[in-house]
Amino acid sequence: SQKIEQNSEALNIQEGKTATLTCNYTNYSPAYLQWYRQDPGRGPVFLLLIRENEKEKRKERLKVTFDTTLKQSLFHITASQPADSATYLCALVIRTLTFGKGTMLLVSP
Amino acid sequence: EPEVTQTPSHQVTQMGQEVILRCVPISNHLYFYWYRQILGQKVEFLVSFYNNEISEKSEIFDDQFSVERPDGSNFTLKIRSTKLEDSAMYFCASSAGLRETQYFGPGTRLLVL
Repeated sequence: SQKIEQNSEALNIQEGKTATLTCNYTNYSPAYLQWYRQDPGRGPVFLLLIRENEKEKRKERLKVTFDTTLKQSLFHITASQPADSATYLCALVIRTLTFGKGTMLLVSP
Repeated sequence: EPEVTQTPSHQVTQMGQEVILRCVPISNHLYFYWYRQILGQKVEFLVSFYNNEISEKSEIFDDQFSVERPDGSNFTLKIRSTKLEDSAMYFCASSAGLRETQYFGPGTRLLVL
């Protein structure tokens, strides 16, 4: 079965720095990969989708890369702000949407 | 901006009781989903629904669970004979097409005592 690993459970960075979160997967290469944000007690909020034939996708301060050879996606938040503090979930779509456990990002002022 | 809504936001029930969780997907979406998230764990797929039928279901989605679209707007998850381990957040999601972005509701927190 598909296994998804997000590099760490928690990541602490200072405001203004770039946060980089990693998502690694095993077995099948997904048709595409998504990143979601989840705040405590709330539902996941869609951020970005990247397809298997795309190397990079950007949206404002967010950037996602997708390397199907390494079976890895990197998610970057540039010029991070305390409001970016949340759990970020990587999700793969093969037949169904499969989530990683998430990385909790804490941006300190 | 259209969004998925869910009711109730919280539900407390006694073990063995039946609960129905309700969702209103985004109006022009065709695919509907239920997920659950046990406290501190990852979001897990339960079931997907399209054209009034279950299209995919996970191992979690056994005979205790059922889904229904009783009218043109609501999508429900019924859990029969609830168990303590059914305590979790239950999220509904919808998408316009297969393998398109899924938009999640705010969730129903279910507590089984």
